[in-house]
Amino acid sequence: QSVLTQPPSVSGAPGQRVTISCTGSSSNIGAGYGVHWYQHLPGTAPKLLIYGNTKRPSGVPDRFSGSKSGTSASLAITGLQAEDEADYYCQSYDNRLSGWVFGGGTKLTVL
Amino acid sequence: EVQLVESGGGLVQPGGSLRLSCAASGFIFSRYEMNWVRQAPGKGLEWISYISSSGSTTYYADSVKGRFTISRDDAKNSLYLQMNSLRAEDTAFYYCARVTVTDLEFDYWGQGTLVTVSS
Repeated sequence: QSVLTQPPSVSGAPGQRVTISCTGSSSNIGAGYGVHWYQHLPGTAPKLLIYGNTKRPSGVPDRFSGSKSGTSASLAITGLQAEDEADYYCQSYDNRLSGWVFGGGTKLTVL
Repeated sequence: EVQLVESGGGLVQPGGSLRLSCAASGFIFSRYEMNWVRQAPGKGLEWISYISSSGSTTYYADSVKGRFTISRDDAKNSLYLQMNSLRAEDTAFYYCARVTVTDLEFDYWGQGTLVTVSS
């Protein structure tokens, strides 16, 4: 059972928009710690997509965006492309656990 | 270019030990805090350990506390994870990751090294 809760899977057709939710609690997201999102293909290095709730690292397309409200956050992907098919994880810091926590991951399928 | 390269994974028997290494390049390693993260087969990412830039502060997930030890050698630009009393549930890909002090995100990751605990 992950500390942050994500849907196991989402899907969308090429060109569509999808969102992935991430729900935490008062000791992590709700405590004001930033939410970060990673794209991961098994066996490869996870890639940082969004940090500090809404910021995009250099090189990440603006099709990817993040938002946060209260104890929850969301990742939105617009203009879906086949190359977006991957696992997506949210992450934050938890002051009760004194460490970082991840969501269980969401598998994105591009139909 | 920032690079993190893990090594040291392999097959080990339950109760055995293994030491993972992470070689860093492309940045001033001594200035950065570092972490280990793992992914068991079919499971999600799990943070397991943190070390401060000075090496004086370390944190561990409850799942590895007392069995794993994180350390660093800034002269060798290397991060280590000493894993003792290994269990079948420690079987996973192990990744090292650099963390920023501003927003606490893991901005660079290695490709991972596979640890298999089995008799």
